[in-house]
Amino acid sequence: RKEVEQDPGPFNVPEGATVAFNCTYSNSASQSFFWYRQDCRKEPKLLMSVYSSGNEDGRFTAQLNRASQYISLLIRDSKLSDSATYLCVVNPNAGGTSYGKLTFGQGTILTVHP
Amino acid sequence: DADVTQTPRNRITKTGKRIMLECSQTKGHDRMYWYRQDPGLGLRLIYYSFDVKDINKGEISDGYSVSRQAQAKFSLSLESAIPNQTALYFCATSGLGAGDNEQFFGPGTRLTVL
Repeated sequence: RKEVEQDPGPFNVPEGATVAFNCTYSNSASQSFFWYRQDCRKEPKLLMSVYSSGNEDGRFTAQLNRASQYISLLIRDSKLSDSATYLCVVNPNAGGTSYGKLTFGQGTILTVHP
Repeated sequence: DADVTQTPRNRITKTGKRIMLECSQTKGHDRMYWYRQDPGLGLRLIYYSFDVKDINKGEISDGYSVSRQAQAKFSLSLESAIPNQTALYFCATSGLGAGDNEQFFGPGTRLTVL
């Protein structure tokens, strides 16, 4: 089983649509969770961290379910500029030599069309 | 100016050649990482370094070596390149604090081994 698994998509949605991505992780001791965004042929960049209580940043909402080891990202009112690959990222441990290491999912491709 | 830079940006080489990819950062971060990205496999960690005297293998270190010449510089070498090392390579950095989980990526090096 992969440490971090995502549905690779692609998701093709019209502008204005709401789209949700899901991600599961295998290590129940994982401490920190993130969504990164990667544009075509560019480097990944942090989109948002994911907190246990859920968090929102504008049109983006992230949720964490520790019991199910499940993370989600909801994008409302999709824009053309949201087209990208969304990477689910997990920090598997909080301490020792694992500190700072991240495990990346393979990414979910989103295309928003007019 | 970019905070994390990589050279070269593109490289085509032949099987058996020695290749060095270089990474420099101006963020003042102690931690540096090398990843490779392949379609459908996401980002995989090759090596990481938590300070100048610290070097650690990641999940796919075979066939690679690294050197941390200074806090700001972390280079990746392929001693004898082979075609399945064709990939997009990213360098990344992160800070040392408890909340410094975000990694900042360079623009990537596209390597093709013929």
